[in-house]
Amino acid sequence: DSGVTQTPKHLITATGQRVTLRCSPRSGDLSVYWYQQSLDQGLQFLIQYYNGEERAKGNILERFSAQQFPDLHSELNLSSLELGDSALYFCASSVGGAAGYGYTFGSGTRLTVV
Amino acid sequence: AQTVTQSQPEMSVQEAETVTLSCTYDTSENNYYLFWYKQPPSRQMILVIRQEAYKQQNATENRFSVNFQKAAKSFSLKISDSQLGDTAMYFCAFMMTNTGNQFYFGTGTSLTVIP
Repeated sequence: DSGVTQTPKHLITATGQRVTLRCSPRSGDLSVYWYQQSLDQGLQFLIQYYNGEERAKGNILERFSAQQFPDLHSELNLSSLELGDSALYFCASSVGGAAGYGYTFGSGTRLTVV
Repeated sequence: AQTVTQSQPEMSVQEAETVTLSCTYDTSENNYYLFWYKQPPSRQMILVIRQEAYKQQNATENRFSVNFQKAAKSFSLKISDSQLGDTAMYFCAFMMTNTGNQFYFGTGTSLTVIP
């Protein structure tokens, strides 16, 4: 157990729907990062939050949004889902806003859009 | 733009033998970090080893070591005394020092350790 908790582990939904993925960072970590891992795109950085504020944004679609709450947990919202959004979504956390020592990853949420 | 290339999609090695996974990267930055992450069938991303670009000495972690060639922009991972538990996808990753947040990952090398 890495200490980073992601729920749910698996999610199957239909095209056009909206889902919310949840992440609880490791105790004491202030930064949360979201990544998408798909077969054709590999591992892509989506977004980082640090202590409730957006810190960096990567290749995140406009249909996707995220936030970090006062208790530091984070949610990734995916809307108007398309078949191509099927992927493994990882959350990771680190103590500070910079992660030169790497992050701790969760075990991911497998999203299947049918 | 930062790119990371892993040219070996799949590799295999006999148990107890040594294997080297290749990684090259492209960047105009001078200060950065390089990492190897392991993703076993459980899907968990696990940090294997880390290297700071300003350090000339190659990083080692038990059976894992790197050969970091900054001028050639090469960062290979050597696994000694391979064990069955080393079977996994291995990702090379780059992170800029000035931002210290976003990883740029390679496409991965699937390593199978054969008993």
